Amino acid sequence: NAGVTQTPKFRVLKTGQSMTLLCAQDMNHEYMYWYRQDPGMGLRLIHYSVGEGTTAKGEVPDGYNVSRLKKQNFLLGLESAAPSQTSVYFCASSYGGRGEDTQYFGPGTRLTVL
Amino acid sequence: GESVGLHLPTLSVQEGDNSIINCAYSNSASDYFIWYKQESGKGPQFIIDIRSNMDKRQGQRVTVLLNKTVKHLSLQIAATQPGDSAVYFCAENEYGNKLVFGAGTILRVKS
Repeated sequence: NAGVTQTPKFRVLKTGQSMTLLCAQDMNHEYMYWYRQDPGMGLRLIHYSVGEGTTAKGEVPDGYNVSRLKKQNFLLGLESAAPSQTSVYFCASSYGGRGEDTQYFGPGTRLTVL
Repeated sequence: GESVGLHLPTLSVQEGDNSIINCAYSNSASDYFIWYKQESGKGPQFIIDIRSNMDKRQGQRVTVLLNKTVKHLSLQIAATQPGDSAVYFCAENEYGNKLVFGAGTILRVKS
């Protein structure tokens, strides 16, 4: 049982390049989330999904797209990377989405956009 | 307590002492609160949670206290160990299924 895994762990992009971050969970959780974490700030929700085939916007969705084609996977895409998207990205999953269901986090992806 | 900006508050404690980390939350309608621990280079790890119908909950070496009157949450760690060194976040279920996270407090344990 690996929990929540993320690939890649590190990535450097040039402005305007695109990339996809992959999150996988093996806990059969319905809900999945993408957050970004910037220095001195709390985690901010980018997008989330309440089940396979569904996605919804979070607090800071601009510049990102997501897809949940399979229950266990949640992909975060950057179509045209900008330096402001330099951050650490965390994926999380939870059994339910009432907010009182514990969210389990992956190890993070550190992204630098030059 | 929580911080705004680049510099997180830091709590330094001696190994074996008790630690108290504070958090002020924003929404009086929040009904669920969580404490997470984040070690360097890792994702946040669940420590303990509490619902708004409680004012205290205990776990293994940790206790969370909730004061709804002043919208304050605290995490107490008993007999702090070097392995407790990390950033600690509180989070509130402010609306629906979404959590709102504080910026965090750095806990440093001196041996």
